[in-house]
Amino acid sequence: DGGITQSPKYLFRKEGQNVTLSCEQNLNHDAMYWYRQDPGQGLRLIYYSQIVNDFQKGDIAEGYSVSREKKESFPLTVTSAQKNPTAFYLCASSIVSARGYNEQFFGPGTRLTVL
Amino acid sequence: GESVGLHLPTLSVQEGDNSIINCAYSNSASDYFIWYKQESGKGPQFIIDIRSNMDKRQGQRVTVLLNKTVKHLSLQIAATQPGDSAVYFCAENPGDDKIIFGKGTRLHILP
Repeated sequence: DGGITQSPKYLFRKEGQNVTLSCEQNLNHDAMYWYRQDPGQGLRLIYYSQIVNDFQKGDIAEGYSVSREKKESFPLTVTSAQKNPTAFYLCASSIVSARGYNEQFFGPGTRLTVL
Repeated sequence: GESVGLHLPTLSVQEGDNSIINCAYSNSASDYFIWYKQESGKGPQFIIDIRSNMDKRQGQRVTVLLNKTVKHLSLQIAATQPGDSAVYFCAENPGDDKIIFGKGTRLHILP
C-alpha cells in the first residue's frame, strides 16, 4: 500500500524544546517537501529536497532544520528558535519531472502544539 | 506576497447545485495548475490539474477552467454533495519544483 506517512498525528512540546516530525514515503519519489499550515491559511513552504543529501530553504525556514539521508525519509526538526511553532505540519512528495510539472502527494499531517 | 489567491474565503452552496470556486494567479510563467481538496484535520488531496496549453479539463463531477488572458482559474463541482464540504486550494507551478498555494476557499453545503 503506497503512500506518505507522518507521525505522530498529534504532538505536544514544552516551550524551549526541539522536536522532530517524521515523514516517510514509499512512492519512490525524488522530491519531498515540508509545509506549515496555520488556521484559515494556505500552505507555506518550509524546506524541500529534490535529491538525497540535498535540500533547500523554502519561504519560512527560520527555526527549522531538515535532513535527507534516505530517499524515503525527510524528517523535520522544529527548534527552540522557532518563535511560533504551534501549527499543522504537512509533508509532501513528488516526482521531479524534466518539464517541471509537479503533482505533490500529501501525508495526513502532524498537529504540533507548544504548551 | 502570494502570487495565487482566491476571491472568496467561504462559499455556501445548496446540496445538488453546482459550485464554482475561483482563483487568481499572477505569475505568467506558471504552466501547470492544480486544485486540491482538504478535509478538516487531513492533508490536501489532489482533485484535478491542467496544463497551460489547455483551457478546460474535465474529471468526474469536476471541471477546471483556465483563462490565461486574465490569469484566472476556476473549479466547478457539479451536483454538490455533503461530502464535498472542505477547503479547496488552487496551486500553480511556475516551472521549477515548487508549488505556490493560494489561501483556500471553504465550501459549505447547505441541506
